[in-house]
Amino acid sequence: GESVGLHLPTLSVQEGDNSIINCAYSNSASDYFIWYKQESGKGPQFIIDIRSNMDKRQGQRVTVLLNKTVKHLSLQIAATQPGDSAVYFCAETYSGGSNYKLTFGKGTLLTVNP
Amino acid sequence: NAGVMQNPRHLVRRRGQEARLRCSPMKGHSHVYWYRQLPEEGLKFMVYLQKENIIDESGMPKERFSAEFPKEGPSILRIQQVVRGDSAAYFCASSLRTSGISYNEQFFGPGTRLTVL
Repeated sequence: GESVGLHLPTLSVQEGDNSIINCAYSNSASDYFIWYKQESGKGPQFIIDIRSNMDKRQGQRVTVLLNKTVKHLSLQIAATQPGDSAVYFCAETYSGGSNYKLTFGKGTLLTVNP
Repeated sequence: NAGVMQNPRHLVRRRGQEARLRCSPMKGHSHVYWYRQLPEEGLKFMVYLQKENIIDESGMPKERFSAEFPKEGPSILRIQQVVRGDSAAYFCASSLRTSGISYNEQFFGPGTRLTVL
């Protein structure tokens, strides 16, 4: 299950199950959102992105959903594999003037049990 | 095509010493960004540089921290007189260019883990 507390939120799933990782973003002006995967000891790795004029985008085994009304973003991973175990961050930015600055969420630790 | 390179990967300093972190962007990238990550937190933007120019340093502490990206060579993040609170992972990212119309993906390096004793 998912828990939120003083430490990093965690999600533990069985191999083969679908995973859903949620993120609340802060800036209503943000118009571009990215999900990153960060494995232990490594830098963030791009997974999938979505612009604010869309509410859903699909990649290979991953889907991102955007709900601008409640400023919520989710990442769905189909048929989760042990190699998906990592910390997942959402990041937001807006293209008005300074679209280079990414604002990252706190992250969710995904653990896939074999 | 090599990705973003950072060195050293691990750096240990005693309080009061200087830390110098280096970042070589991906080939052809002229934009560099530095982020800091504290344990169990997301990355926090520090500074954005283009060759020989600091574009935005709004996330960088005013004292002890400086960054440069010279015409030749890697970008350097320099922390003077380090304190224990500087212990963190420092990530560099690079991109091709920025545009007011579209976002250009930032590619991240493996990070430098700074430990201040």
